[in-house]
Parts: sequence; C-alpha cells; structure tokens
Amino acid sequence: QVHLQESGPGLVKPSETLSLTCTVSGGSVSSGSYYWSWIRQPPGKGLEWIGYIFYSGSTTYNPSLKSRVTMSVDTSKDQFSLRLSSVTAADTAVYYCVRKNYYSYYMDVWGKGTTVTVSS
Amino acid sequence: QSALTQPASVSGSPGQSITISCTGTSSDVGGYNYVSWYQQHPGKAPKLMIYDVSGRPSGISNRFSGSKSGNTASLTISGLQAEDEADYYCSSYTSTSTHVVFGGGTKLTVL
Repeated sequence: QVHLQESGPGLVKPSETLSLTCTVSGGSVSSGSYYWSWIRQPPGKGLEWIGYIFYSGSTTYNPSLKSRVTMSVDTSKDQFSLRLSSVTAADTAVYYCVRKNYYSYYMDVWGKGTTVTVSS
Repeated sequence: QSALTQPASVSGSPGQSITISCTGTSSDVGGYNYVSWYQQHPGKAPKLMIYDVSGRPSGISNRFSGSKSGNTASLTISGLQAEDEADYYCSSYTSTSTHVVFGGGTKLTVL
C-alpha cells in the first residue's frame, strides 16, 4: 500500500521560500500511472490545488500560483518537492502531498498533511 | 469564491439518505466525467469516496454513490451513520487553465 509523508519547516518568514518534500513509500514515484500533486487547505477553509508533476519532470501548476511555484521530482529517492517563493500570511495552510491518477483527475492517496505557518 | 458550488451544510438522521450537490459549468462538471468526491474528518486528510462521477474505490461502502445531470453532480449517502459526519468536497477537471477545481465543501451533520 502506498503511503505519502510530507516533511519540511512548519514556520516560514514572510517573503521567504516555503520548501516541502514528500516521500513515497510502498510504491515508486517513477510509476507512469500517476502524477504527484500538492494541495493546500488554509485554516477553516476549503481545498486548493497547487499543481502536479510527472516522474519525467513535466509540471502543471495552478495559474494563480504559477509565478511562485516550482515542483521537482527525485526518482532515486522516491521523493517529490514543492517550493513556493515570496510567501505571505495568505500561504499559511495545511499542505498535502497527493497521488493523482494519470488517466483521470482524482486523487486517491493523500499524505497526512503538514501545517506551514507564515509569520515573522 | 470556489469554482464549484456546494451547500454549506446538510443534515440527516441515522438511517436516512442525504444528497449533496455540486454545481459547475459546461467547462467542468457538465463537460467531463471527471467529478470526484472527498470525505474529510476534522484534523484528518481528505479521503477519496467517489471518482469519475460514479466510481467507488475499493473499500468504500456502497452506501456512497455519485451521479451527474447537466452541470450538477451529486453525492448520495444512504443509511446514514454517525461516522459519516464530516466535510465533503467535490472536485472536477476544468478546461480552463486551472485544470483542477474544488467545491467549497459541505458539512454533513448526523442528527
């Protein structure tokens, strides 16, 4: 059974860069059947899709965040990562790494989520 | 404002059935069979309940079912149980540059 685990700092200063990594266990990030995604949820609010990456490195980002987002994948470590630059308090959220089916648009495996707070 | 519209809350008694709607446009819900539904308990990650409008992942109770008519998708939960009390989110592919959109979420209360 595939498990996803987010890791990274829980506190980031305004204007700095948020960096998170997701480690895939029980499966391989190199599987051609999935995209690897990031979704976030601000406190008390709904879900927001950030983007997804294929093992080849091909990416698709939410246009509202595209100028600040970079995703990467490390197939040797079965990890994929998120970098969000120039953060503000509005980026405070629980960040989930998620597996998305390649042939459709549903997310079938979610990490437990990690809370990132943007504050000085 | 979310791209897909869901009621903020619904409620039902144990054993009853409820339906949660998810309204979009012809660019998302109405144009593609890529609607999915997620259940989220407080402090937990979302869980896939329905995919591709009406598909049910392995291990999900057949009390959960999905459907679509026009630009509105629906999640129906029959035989309500206390454990069904949670937030529910719909999601869809969209042909706009956003690609993936979510509804604002619906809080289900089991009375």
